[in-house]
Amino acid sequence: DIQMTQSPSSLSASVGDRVTITCRASQGIRNDLAWYQQKPGKAPKRLIYGASNLQSGVPSRFSGSGSGTEFTLTISSLQPEDFATYYCLQHNSYPLTFGGGTKVEIK
Amino acid sequence: QLQLQESGPGLVKPSETLSLTCTVSGVSIATSSSYWGWIRQPPGKGLEWIGNIYESGTTQYNPSLESRVSISVDTSKNQLSLRLSSVTASDTAVYYCGRRNEVDVWGKGTTVIVSS
Repeated sequence: DIQMTQSPSSLSASVGDRVTITCRASQGIRNDLAWYQQKPGKAPKRLIYGASNLQSGVPSRFSGSGSGTEFTLTISSLQPEDFATYYCLQHNSYPLTFGGGTKVEIK
Repeated sequence: QLQLQESGPGLVKPSETLSLTCTVSGVSIATSSSYWGWIRQPPGKGLEWIGNIYESGTTQYNPSLESRVSISVDTSKNQLSLRLSSVTASDTAVYYCGRRNEVDVWGKGTTVIVSS
């Protein structure tokens, strides 16, 4: 199985901050990675697919980068509605695996 | 507009079989050329992929659940189904259905509690 190590597991940030979340794959997954945002009591929402492609309707302050084993989700200027938990998902090989999640909290 | 809606019993007894249905609207599963899958999330924890099925009926399962899980499709009803046998308290979770391996559309989820 491919292990997805996501860091940090939580972070505190202020509105306007630049936030970076990382996922590291235990083996190369090309760019077969998606990022999700989940708010309490809601289903996850896809933000990024193919490691760097912005989902339609998602604000441009979200961006993704990386390929192979190292991937990054960046929020360029954190907004109040961005406080949530973020997950990465590798879909390169079965079983599909998620990162452990990063909870972004208000400082 | 594509929508997915999970349904099923909210309470299942230990050792019994959990059965859920995901009703798909807005696209035909039979002609979608897509994978359709199930993901779950225990209370306060992260996401776990359970398995998926292609329109042809080909399935893939998480090895951690493979001995107990079955996913099927009823194209006449445009539904996919999940069966998980011999459940224990650790199967308590919100269960989601979704389209594609890189899940682009999610159902709202349904909570299943395993308890006697």
